[in-house]
Amino acid sequence: DAGVIQSPRHEVTEMGQEVTLRCKPISGHNSLFWYRQTMMRGLELLIYFNNNVPIDDSGMPEDRFSAKMPNASFSTLKIQPSEPRDSAVYFCASSFLAGGTYEQYFGPGTRLTVT
Amino acid sequence: GENVEQHPSTLSVQEGDSAVIKCTYSDSASNYFPWYKQELGKGPQLIIDIRSNVGEKKDQRIAVTLNKTAKHFSLHITETQPEDSAVYFCAANTGKLIFGQGTTLQVKP
Repeated sequence: DAGVIQSPRHEVTEMGQEVTLRCKPISGHNSLFWYRQTMMRGLELLIYFNNNVPIDDSGMPEDRFSAKMPNASFSTLKIQPSEPRDSAVYFCASSFLAGGTYEQYFGPGTRLTVT
Repeated sequence: GENVEQHPSTLSVQEGDSAVIKCTYSDSASNYFPWYKQELGKGPQLIIDIRSNVGEKKDQRIAVTLNKTAKHFSLHITETQPEDSAVYFCAANTGKLIFGQGTTLQVKP
């Protein structure tokens, strides 16, 4: 299995620009999670989907952030407009949630720099 | 909501020694406790986990213990090797994972 795939691996953009991060979960997994990692705040859950439906988006910072999962094999996290404080590493993770199974597997992350 | 505290924030040991990282959680409903290892430039990697109906679990050189009454759990690494150097995160699950702040482990050869 290829594991969770994220693209791009690095993104540098100017303040005010739109940024789209992409994720392909592990085949057969039914849940997908977007996390943000910074030195100050550690690993924070932004949003998660179960069977392509958003379940909990309470971690999404503000309306500038949006996430979609149009099918079981693809998800996007969009920031519009981007701000310097959005600079962080964004991780996607996937899991097969069923009968008490909770293991999450992380992708390699996208390092976002907003100048 | 759930809060996970992790200690120490940094840990330096000599190769061959043991390392112990401790976490406490606040929500007694938490039922799953994974540990992740994150190497520089990579995503967190699940290394071991424990469920609330088990007190201890071991996998080769790593082990995890859980004390539900005290609401704390620990990661034990024995016979440490330089390749064990990384950041380790604990987490607790109450429908979603809440992570500790991480421990940077340095194993000196």
